[in-house]
Amino acid sequence: ETGVTQTPRHLVMGMTNKKSLKCEQHLGHNAMYWYKQSAKKPLELMFVYNFKEQTENNSVPSRFSPECPNSSHLFLHLHTLQPEDSALYLCASSQGVRQPQHFGDGTRLSIL
Amino acid sequence: GNSVTQMEGPVTLSEEAFLTINCTYTATGYPSLFWYVQYPGEGLQLLLKATKADDKGSNKGFEATYRKETTSFHLEKGSVQVSDSAVYFCALSDQIKAAGNKLTFGGGTRVLVKP
Repeated sequence: ETGVTQTPRHLVMGMTNKKSLKCEQHLGHNAMYWYKQSAKKPLELMFVYNFKEQTENNSVPSRFSPECPNSSHLFLHLHTLQPEDSALYLCASSQGVRQPQHFGDGTRLSIL
Repeated sequence: GNSVTQMEGPVTLSEEAFLTINCTYTATGYPSLFWYVQYPGEGLQLLLKATKADDKGSNKGFEATYRKETTSFHLEKGSVQVSDSAVYFCALSDQIKAAGNKLTFGGGTRVLVKP
């Protein structure tokens, strides 16, 4: 039990589908993050939310749309994805300056 | 900008061998340093941390010392087990706003421990 829960754990979708990834943290943290982890590439930070406000978008294509309705929940809405978007998507949360981030187990996404 | 460099793997060891994974960093200010571990099929777990120079983080037999003079944070374990087989990530934090933080990760080092 990591305190950060991601659903679904696995997702297979076609390029024209629309789906959403969900992340929920039970740690009382005020910052949440989306990362992309691809084979043979470093971990890529996608989005950062502090107190529900987006504070960072690392040039992520618009086919990825984040939503943070409150400090405990974070969504990643997906539409018209490409095969190169197949990866493990990790959610994390943290509290305070220079504090460690706590990760969920990720969603393994496969684009057909 | 900030960066973290760690040795490329895979590192293959026999059980009870000594493990060292090198990590060096460049950063402005005074970052906190972390080691994370990722077991197959799981997310990243915090292994240990150090928040200032000369601090030593330790957990589960792993240790790392924050060396400001050499900008390093090498991970060591004296006697590895098969269950230590995983990918290890070195990371540093950088403040981006009043709350929260941005982590800069190294590329990860895969460790395989054979019986």
